[in-house]
Amino acid sequence: TQLLEQSPQFLSIQEGENLTVYCNSSSVFSSLQWYRQEPGEGPVLLVTVVTGGEVKKLKRLTFQFGDARKDSSLHITAAQPGDTGLYLCAGQTSYDKVIFGPGTSLSVIP
Amino acid sequence: EADIYQTPRYLVIGTGKKITLECSQTMGHDKMYWYQQDPGMELHLIHYSYGVNSTEKGDLSSESTVSRIRTEHFPLTLESARPSHTSQYLCASSESDLNQPQHFGDGTRLSIL
Repeated sequence: TQLLEQSPQFLSIQEGENLTVYCNSSSVFSSLQWYRQEPGEGPVLLVTVVTGGEVKKLKRLTFQFGDARKDSSLHITAAQPGDTGLYLCAGQTSYDKVIFGPGTSLSVIP
Repeated sequence: EADIYQTPRYLVIGTGKKITLECSQTMGHDKMYWYQQDPGMELHLIHYSYGVNSTEKGDLSSESTVSRIRTEHFPLTLESARPSHTSQYLCASSESDLNQPQHFGDGTRLSIL
């Protein structure tokens, strides 16, 4: 059974702090996506990473795909209350199956 | 800006009723998905489709059924709702090429009394 683990499960920080959340698996993925979901809404795509070792930046968010394409991290600089939400990673296998992680619930306190 | 629409957004209904949750997308995507999600928790895939007349069960066993008669439409039906069906149901679609992300609707929050 292929699994994606995310850590931490819950994170509560003060506005302005930095944070990193992790997405790990024993499986190799052809790509990995990060989504953010706000309460009462569906997940929204933040980024897709495809190449091992790839780093992508989206304003204050930095995404990294592991060299072996088994893990990924999301780093947020100077977190703001608008960053609050559930962060989901999703890995796509070579068999075109998508696996979602359980998510990291982030709360940024003003 | 949503190109995938789910109705209703909220539904409170009594036990034993037949329910159909609607999902439509205007992007021409062949792949469509239904997920079940409790608030703030992980997504569980319950059904998916790779095109018209194609439907498959997902990883989580569900008493619901789906149909795919048209590319843009992927409704989910519960023949007899029970309190254990109370949850949020999310519909998504994606292009057929490898490594394409999923586009999600805003979900239907279902409560069975």
